Amino acid sequence: GNSVTQMEGPVTLSEEAFLTINCTYTATGYPSLFWYVQYPGEGLQLLLKATKADDKGSNKGFEATYRKETTSFHLEKGSVQVSDSAVYFCALSENSGYSTLTFGKGTMLLVSP
Amino acid sequence: GAGVSQSPSNKVTEKGKDVELRCDPISGHTALYWYRQSLGQGLEFLIYFQGNSAPDKSGLPSDRFSAERTGGSVSTLTIQRTQQEDSAVYLCASSLSTGSGYTFGSGTRLTVV
Repeated sequence: GNSVTQMEGPVTLSEEAFLTINCTYTATGYPSLFWYVQYPGEGLQLLLKATKADDKGSNKGFEATYRKETTSFHLEKGSVQVSDSAVYFCALSENSGYSTLTFGKGTMLLVSP
Repeated sequence: GAGVSQSPSNKVTEKGKDVELRCDPISGHTALYWYRQSLGQGLEFLIYFQGNSAPDKSGLPSDRFSAERTGGSVSTLTIQRTQQEDSAVYLCASSLSTGSGYTFGSGTRLTVV
Protein backbone atom coordinates (compact mmCIF):
# COMPACT_ATOMS: atom_id res chain seq x y z
CA GLY A 1 0.00 0.00 0.00
CA ASN A 2 0.88 3.67 -0.13
CA SER A 3 2.77 5.35 2.67
CA VAL A 4 4.47 8.65 3.47
CA THR A 5 7.28 9.08 5.95
CA GLN A 6 8.28 12.47 7.32
CA MET A 7 11.03 13.50 9.66
CA GLU A 8 9.85 13.73 13.24
CA GLY A 9 9.62 17.09 14.85
CA PRO A 10 9.56 19.50 16.30
CA VAL A 11 12.01 21.33 14.10
CA THR A 12 13.22 24.40 15.95
CA LEU A 13 14.90 27.20 13.98
CA SER A 14 15.80 30.83 14.38
CA GLU A 15 14.30 33.38 12.04
CA GLU A 16 16.06 33.56 8.64
CA ALA A 17 17.49 30.05 8.97
CA PHE A 18 17.30 27.52 6.14
CA LEU A 19 14.59 24.90 6.41
CA THR A 20 14.47 21.33 5.16
CA ILE A 21 11.72 18.90 6.09
CA ASN A 22 12.34 15.45 4.64
CA CYS A 23 9.59 13.39 3.06
CA THR A 24 9.83 10.02 1.36
CA TYR A 25 7.04 7.91 -0.04
CA THR A 26 6.07 4.45 -1.15
CA ALA A 27 3.46 4.14 -3.87
CA THR A 28 2.37 2.01 -6.77
CA GLY A 29 2.50 3.81 -10.07
CA TYR A 30 3.21 7.52 -10.31
CA PRO A 31 1.51 9.52 -7.60
CA SER A 32 0.94 13.23 -7.22
CA LEU A 33 2.73 14.74 -4.23
CA PHE A 34 1.59 17.50 -1.93
CA TRP A 35 2.64 19.57 1.05
CA TYR A 36 -0.10 20.85 3.35
CA VAL A 37 0.35 23.32 6.19
CA GLN A 38 -1.72 23.64 9.35
CA TYR A 39 -1.31 26.89 11.26
CA PRO A 40 -2.27 26.90 14.96
CA GLY A 41 -6.02 26.64 15.40
CA GLU A 42 -6.71 26.37 11.68
CA GLY A 43 -7.49 23.67 9.13
CA LEU A 44 -5.07 22.24 6.60
CA GLN A 45 -4.16 24.35 3.60
CA LEU A 46 -2.53 23.18 0.41
CA LEU A 47 0.96 24.69 0.29
CA LEU A 48 2.31 23.26 -2.96
CA LYS A 49 2.11 20.23 -5.19
CA ALA A 50 3.87 18.35 -7.99
CA THR A 51 2.20 15.89 -10.31
CA LYS A 52 5.10 14.21 -12.11
CA ALA A 53 8.76 13.41 -11.73
CA ASP A 54 11.19 16.38 -11.69
CA ASP A 55 8.35 18.86 -11.23
CA LYS A 56 9.04 21.57 -8.66
CA GLY A 57 6.18 22.92 -6.60
CA SER A 58 6.62 26.34 -5.03
CA ASN A 59 4.58 28.79 -2.98
CA LYS A 60 5.29 31.48 -0.36
CA GLY A 61 9.05 30.89 -0.65
CA PHE A 62 8.69 27.14 -0.06
CA GLU A 63 9.85 24.64 -2.68
CA ALA A 64 9.79 20.88 -3.14
CA THR A 65 11.03 18.80 -6.07
CA TYR A 66 9.46 15.47 -7.04
CA ARG A 67 12.39 13.02 -7.10
CA LYS A 68 11.30 9.68 -8.49
CA GLU A 69 14.75 8.10 -8.21
CA THR A 70 14.86 8.69 -4.46
CA THR A 71 11.06 8.65 -3.94
CA SER A 72 11.34 11.93 -2.10
CA PHE A 73 9.61 15.30 -1.93
CA HIS A 74 11.61 17.31 0.59
CA LEU A 75 10.28 20.72 1.59
CA GLU A 76 12.74 23.64 1.64
CA LYS A 77 12.72 27.34 2.40
CA GLY A 78 15.74 29.60 2.26
CA SER A 79 14.80 31.95 5.10
CA VAL A 80 12.05 31.08 7.55
CA GLN A 81 9.92 33.57 9.43
CA VAL A 82 8.17 33.34 12.78
CA SER A 83 4.88 33.25 10.87
CA ASP A 84 5.96 29.96 9.25
CA SER A 85 5.54 28.19 12.58
CA ALA A 86 3.01 25.45 11.85
CA VAL A 87 2.64 21.73 11.26
CA TYR A 88 3.61 20.56 7.77
CA PHE A 89 2.15 17.42 6.21
CA CYS A 90 3.51 15.59 3.19
CA ALA A 91 0.92 13.62 1.21
CA LEU A 92 0.41 11.63 -1.96
CA SER A 93 -2.44 10.51 -4.14
CA GLU A 94 -2.46 8.03 -6.98
CA ASN A 95 -3.15 9.48 -10.39
CA SER A 96 -5.15 6.54 -11.68
CA GLY A 97 -8.77 7.55 -11.38
CA TYR A 98 -9.92 9.06 -8.12
CA SER A 99 -8.14 8.16 -4.94
CA THR A 100 -7.70 9.44 -1.44
CA LEU A 101 -4.74 11.30 -0.01
CA THR A 102 -2.27 9.39 2.13
CA PHE A 103 -0.63 11.68 4.69
CA GLY A 104 2.54 11.59 6.67
CA LYS A 105 2.28 12.15 10.42
CA GLY A 106 3.23 15.81 10.16
CA THR A 107 6.27 17.80 11.25
CA MET A 108 5.92 20.72 13.61
CA LEU A 109 8.08 23.73 12.81
CA LEU A 110 8.81 26.31 15.50
CA VAL A 111 10.58 29.49 14.44
CA SER A 112 11.88 31.85 17.10
CA PRO A 113 12.73 35.55 16.59
CA GLY B 1 -19.82 28.64 -0.42
CA ALA B 2 -16.30 29.99 -0.63
CA GLY B 3 -14.79 27.25 1.51
CA VAL B 4 -15.55 23.98 3.21
CA SER B 5 -17.71 24.61 6.25
CA GLN B 6 -17.90 22.25 9.21
CA SER B 7 -20.15 22.35 12.23
CA PRO B 8 -19.99 22.36 15.13
CA SER B 9 -16.43 23.57 15.57
CA ASN B 10 -16.29 21.99 19.01
CA LYS B 11 -18.34 19.21 20.55
CA VAL B 12 -18.11 17.75 24.02
CA THR B 13 -20.20 14.66 24.58
CA GLU B 14 -20.63 11.99 27.21
CA LYS B 15 -19.40 8.49 26.59
CA GLY B 16 -22.13 6.37 25.04
CA LYS B 17 -23.98 9.23 23.35
CA ASP B 18 -24.37 9.58 19.58
CA VAL B 19 -22.96 12.59 17.71
CA GLU B 20 -23.45 14.03 14.25
CA LEU B 21 -20.85 16.14 12.49
CA ARG B 22 -21.74 18.17 9.44
CA CYS B 23 -19.76 19.19 6.38
CA ASP B 24 -20.73 21.64 3.64
CA PRO B 25 -18.30 21.21 0.74
CA ILE B 26 -17.38 23.80 -1.86
CA SER B 27 -20.16 24.14 -4.41
CA GLY B 28 -19.44 22.04 -7.49
CA HIS B 29 -16.86 19.78 -5.83
CA THR B 30 -17.88 16.22 -6.58
CA ALA B 31 -15.50 14.51 -4.16
CA LEU B 32 -15.86 14.72 -0.38
CA TYR B 33 -13.61 13.15 2.22
CA TRP B 34 -13.62 12.67 5.98
CA TYR B 35 -10.38 12.33 7.92
CA ARG B 36 -9.63 12.05 11.61
CA GLN B 37 -6.67 13.80 13.22
CA SER B 38 -5.61 12.37 16.54
CA LEU B 39 -2.72 13.56 18.66
CA GLY B 40 0.42 11.77 17.51
CA GLN B 41 -1.44 9.78 14.84
CA GLY B 42 -1.43 12.12 11.89
CA LEU B 43 -4.41 12.12 9.55
CA GLU B 44 -6.42 8.95 9.25
CA PHE B 45 -8.69 8.46 6.23
CA LEU B 46 -12.27 7.57 7.14
CA ILE B 47 -14.58 7.72 4.13
CA TYR B 48 -14.73 9.13 0.61
CA PHE B 49 -17.69 10.11 -1.57
CA GLN B 50 -17.30 10.61 -5.32
CA GLY B 51 -20.34 11.80 -7.24
CA ASN B 52 -23.05 9.15 -7.35
CA SER B 53 -20.68 6.24 -6.86
CA ALA B 54 -20.83 4.02 -3.80
CA PRO B 55 -18.69 5.58 -1.06
CA ASP B 56 -15.30 4.16 -0.12
CA LYS B 57 -15.82 3.24 3.53
CA SER B 58 -12.57 1.35 3.93
CA GLY B 59 -11.21 3.73 6.56
CA LEU B 60 -14.09 3.65 9.02
CA PRO B 61 -12.65 2.22 12.27
CA SER B 62 -15.79 0.40 13.44
CA ASP B 63 -19.46 -0.08 12.67
CA ARG B 64 -20.26 2.72 15.13
CA PHE B 65 -19.12 5.12 12.41
CA SER B 66 -21.26 5.94 9.40
CA ALA B 67 -21.61 8.79 6.94
CA GLU B 68 -23.99 9.92 4.28
CA ARG B 69 -24.01 12.57 1.63
CA THR B 70 -27.37 13.91 0.60
CA GLY B 71 -27.97 15.30 -2.88
CA GLY B 72 -24.29 15.13 -3.69
CA SER B 73 -23.57 18.05 -1.38
CA VAL B 74 -23.81 18.16 2.42
CA SER B 75 -22.37 15.24 4.36
CA THR B 76 -23.01 14.03 7.90
CA LEU B 77 -20.63 11.81 9.84
CA THR B 78 -22.37 9.95 12.66
CA ILE B 79 -20.64 8.26 15.57
CA GLN B 80 -22.86 6.05 17.68
CA ARG B 81 -22.19 5.11 21.30
CA THR B 82 -19.11 7.33 21.45
CA GLN B 83 -15.99 6.12 23.24
CA GLN B 84 -13.12 8.14 24.69
CA GLU B 85 -10.81 6.93 21.92
CA ASP B 86 -13.11 8.72 19.45
CA SER B 87 -11.83 12.05 20.77
CA ALA B 88 -10.08 13.75 17.87
CA VAL B 89 -10.42 16.50 15.29
CA TYR B 90 -12.64 15.37 12.43
CA LEU B 91 -11.72 17.02 9.16
CA CYS B 92 -13.79 17.23 6.02
CA ALA B 93 -12.35 18.09 2.61
CA SER B 94 -13.67 18.42 -0.91
CA SER B 95 -12.07 18.46 -4.33
CA LEU B 96 -12.87 18.79 -8.00
CA SER B 97 -10.56 15.93 -8.90
CA THR B 98 -7.70 13.97 -7.42
CA GLY B 99 -4.86 15.91 -9.00
CA SER B 100 -6.10 19.30 -7.81
CA GLY B 101 -5.64 18.60 -4.12
CA TYR B 102 -8.18 19.01 -1.39
CA THR B 103 -9.69 22.04 0.33
CA PHE B 104 -10.11 21.29 4.01
CA GLY B 105 -12.59 22.65 6.48
CA SER B 106 -11.43 23.86 9.89
CA GLY B 107 -12.59 20.66 11.51
CA THR B 108 -14.76 19.61 14.43
CA ARG B 109 -12.94 18.97 17.69
CA LEU B 110 -14.75 16.11 19.40
CA THR B 111 -14.12 15.42 23.08
CA VAL B 112 -15.72 12.39 24.67
CA VAL B 113 -15.81 12.58 28.47
